[in-house]
Amino acid sequence: DVKVTQSSRYLVKRTGEKVFLECVQDMDHENMFWYRQDPGLGLRLIYFSYDVKMKEKGDIPEGYSVSREKKERFSLILESASTNQTSMYLCASSPRTGGILYEQYFGPGTRLTVT
Amino acid sequence: GENVEQHPSTLSVQEGDSAVIKCTYSDSASNYFPWYKQELGKGPQLIIDIRSNVGEKKDQRIAVTLNKTAKHFSLHITETQPEDSAVYFCAAPTSNTGNQFYFGTGTSLTVIP
Repeated sequence: DVKVTQSSRYLVKRTGEKVFLECVQDMDHENMFWYRQDPGLGLRLIYFSYDVKMKEKGDIPEGYSVSREKKERFSLILESASTNQTSMYLCASSPRTGGILYEQYFGPGTRLTVT
Repeated sequence: GENVEQHPSTLSVQEGDSAVIKCTYSDSASNYFPWYKQELGKGPQLIIDIRSNVGEKKDQRIAVTLNKTAKHFSLHITETQPEDSAVYFCAAPTSNTGNQFYFGTGTSLTVIP
């Protein structure tokens, strides 16, 4: 089974802190994604990566950056955390399949609270 | 780009009854539609998907129907059980490459024993 793990289930940070959220997948997937999930808004894409050192902005990249130094690891970085970044953060991965769409596999999520 | 709308946002049914969740999409080129179930404290997990070359797909108590002309697809759960209580998300692909999706806003299903 595909396993996507996230470094923390719950995180509490202060405004202005730099925050790192880590995601690791064990299925050699090329594509990896970071979403935030807020009530009534569903899942919104922050960034995605289709290969090592490659990244593309999603729908809401402002205030975030990402890093992908190894194929299995995709990190989300909040350069200076703000209270409006309090949310559930979900990481996902999927294989590159030459244009045929497939499901994404999700991690358990990190609930981040910024005070 | 794709626009996905999902209804209803909340749904309560008696155990044993059926539940239906509907999604509409805007991009007529979309050709793959997954449904995810998210249980409390967990990430979303695929429960069923459908490709545009078929109109219906069934897996035990779960079925998905697709109407390409009307650009909508629906999740049907029959003989609901308390363990079906969860948040359900539909998704449709974006026009970009890279296996990206737009997700619906979610339906919170409660099955009352």
